[in-house]
Amino acid sequence: DSGVTQTPKHLITATGQRVTLRCSPRSGDLSVYWYQQSLDQGLQFLIQYYNGEERAKGNILERFSAQQFPDLHSELNLSSLELGDSALYFCASSATGTSTDTQYFGPGTRLTVL
Amino acid sequence: AQKVTQAQTEISVVEKEDVTLDCVYETRDTTYYLFWYKQPPSGELVFLIRRNSFDEQNEISGRYSWNFQKSTSSFNFTITASQVVDSAVYFCALSEASGTYKYIFGTGTRLKVLA
Repeated sequence: DSGVTQTPKHLITATGQRVTLRCSPRSGDLSVYWYQQSLDQGLQFLIQYYNGEERAKGNILERFSAQQFPDLHSELNLSSLELGDSALYFCASSATGTSTDTQYFGPGTRLTVL
Repeated sequence: AQKVTQAQTEISVVEKEDVTLDCVYETRDTTYYLFWYKQPPSGELVFLIRRNSFDEQNEISGRYSWNFQKSTSSFNFTITASQVVDSAVYFCALSEASGTYKYIFGTGTRLKVLA
């Protein structure tokens, strides 16, 4: 158990809908990262937050947004969902949010868009 | 450009065999970090090891060992006396000190250990 929690574990929805994925980092970690794992794209970095502020952006679509709240939990919002958004979404956390950190991953949320 | 290559897509071995998973990386940074993660069938990503670019000592942890060679830009992972529970997808990742804090993952190697 990494100490990172993600909810829900599974999510099934329809095209065009909007969903919110939630992540709680390990105790003491200030930085949260979101990754998407799909069969054809592998593990792709989406976005990073540190202590409530966006720090780095990766291959995140404009239909997707995220935020980190004062209690350090984070939410990833996916809207206007398409079939291709079906994937495993991971949240990771690290202590300081720098490249020297080890990132610890949550169990993931499996999103299926029908 | 930064890149991680795991050329072995899938490996099958029989229990108790030794197996080595290859990882080759590309980076222009002199300071960087390499990682291995395990993704069992349950789906979570489990951290295995972190190595910085200044530490070329090999590491052993139980049946797991890692061989880091800067000369060949490789960070290979060996499982000795493999067990069925080792069946998983293994990912190698790179993080550059001057980069934007993200990991670059390889495409993973699926290891199947047969009883």
